[in-house]
Amino acid sequence: LAKTTQPISMDSYEGQEVNITCSHNNIATNDYITWYQQFPSQGPRFIIQGYKTKVTNEVASLFIPADRKSSTLSLPRVSLSDTAVYYCLVGGVATNKLIFGTGTLLAVQP
Amino acid sequence: DTAVSQTPKYLVTQMGNDKSIKCEQNLGHDTMYWYKQDSKKFLKIMFSYNNKELIINETVPNRFSPKSPDKAHLNLHINSLELGDSAVYFCASSLIPGTGSGANEKLFFGSGTQLSVL
Repeated sequence: LAKTTQPISMDSYEGQEVNITCSHNNIATNDYITWYQQFPSQGPRFIIQGYKTKVTNEVASLFIPADRKSSTLSLPRVSLSDTAVYYCLVGGVATNKLIFGTGTLLAVQP
Repeated sequence: DTAVSQTPKYLVTQMGNDKSIKCEQNLGHDTMYWYKQDSKKFLKIMFSYNNKELIINETVPNRFSPKSPDKAHLNLHINSLELGDSAVYFCASSLIPGTGSGANEKLFFGSGTQLSVL
């Protein structure tokens, strides 16, 4: 099973770009990489998903190197409201390969 | 309209009681899930149902029994509640049951039910 490893916490300031890296050395060929965001007292919310190279949407970018053993979530110009826990998830959805990592608590300060 | 709604939001009860948490999704998804998030924020899958059929059952005590009357509902019934059951329980749904292909397999979560067993 592809297990993920992320930093437990990160600090940033408003307006900065934040990069959160996730390691997934045992990723399988068919696995996708998905990131979720969780605010206090809410359920996780899908941010972005990718298989290889780079994916960008209105919220974030996801960089995946050729070996796919890691991925980096990039949040441009963070604001206070981006303070949340960010989870890296590797695998399919309705399989027993669903593993949420410990998550990274991002604290954005003014 | 809330996509995935679960009730109640808070549930405080005594040890030994039986309680239920209800979940409904209006997204037309085929698959629904229950997750448990403990005090350390670890999020673990408990059950998964696809079109009312159980497809994932992790190592969960049999005091926990999911019930899916139709594909839009997945309720969680817990018998003989214990102190260790205290956690936040999240319901979720997804469009495609999943073959590991990944694409479009987004999880949509409810806002959680905080269960406190005293």
